[in-house]
Amino acid sequence: EIVLTQSPGTLSLSPGERATLSCRASQSVRSSYVAWYQQKPGQAPRLLIYGTSSRATGIPDRFSGSGSGTDFTLTISRLEPEDFGVYYCHQYDSSVLTFGGGTKVEIK
Amino acid sequence: QLQLQESGPGLVKPSDTLSLTCTVSGGSISSTSYYWGWIRQPPGKGLEWIGNIYYSGITDYNPSLKSRVTISVDTSKNQFSLKLNSVTAADTAVYYCARHIASKDYYYMDVWGRGTTVTVSS
Repeated sequence: EIVLTQSPGTLSLSPGERATLSCRASQSVRSSYVAWYQQKPGQAPRLLIYGTSSRATGIPDRFSGSGSGTDFTLTISRLEPEDFGVYYCHQYDSSVLTFGGGTKVEIK
Repeated sequence: QLQLQESGPGLVKPSDTLSLTCTVSGGSISSTSYYWGWIRQPPGKGLEWIGNIYYSGITDYNPSLKSRVTISVDTSKNQFSLKLNSVTAADTAVYYCARHIASKDYYYMDVWGRGTTVTVSS
């Protein structure tokens, strides 16, 4: 089973700053099967990025995804106050889906 | 607009079977483009994928839960269900149902239910 490690665990940034979230896989994964989600307290996760770099419907262009092989990144170019929450990556391989442990983004 | 709604008991006794249903509205569960699945989140922890099902009944399960999980589909009711047997306190979580886009090109969950809290306790 492929393990996804997200870092940092917590990110504290001010509005307008750039956020860079990392998702590292224990072995190479298929880029088209990597996605990112945002979850706010008491809410279901919301799809942000699929296929490593494609934004989901309605997601602002300040969110972008990149990566290949074992290293994937979610970038928020200019943080807005509503971007606080926990961000999860996932991958799918050999009929099994695994999530990373999450990165919490705190707004200063 | 597609909506998913989880339902089922909020309290289950240890060693019993947890049973949840997800009702799909605003779209057909029999669409050939989608799978339907379950994800859970223990209190204060991250997300764990449980498994998914195609309208024809084909399933995939998380290996760590496979021996205890059954996901089924009822196309006549536009519903799919989760059964998890021999539950313990470790199965206490918010359970989400979600639509899966699963193709040779992509794999992701684009529509989620609001989630339902299940507590395992005597």
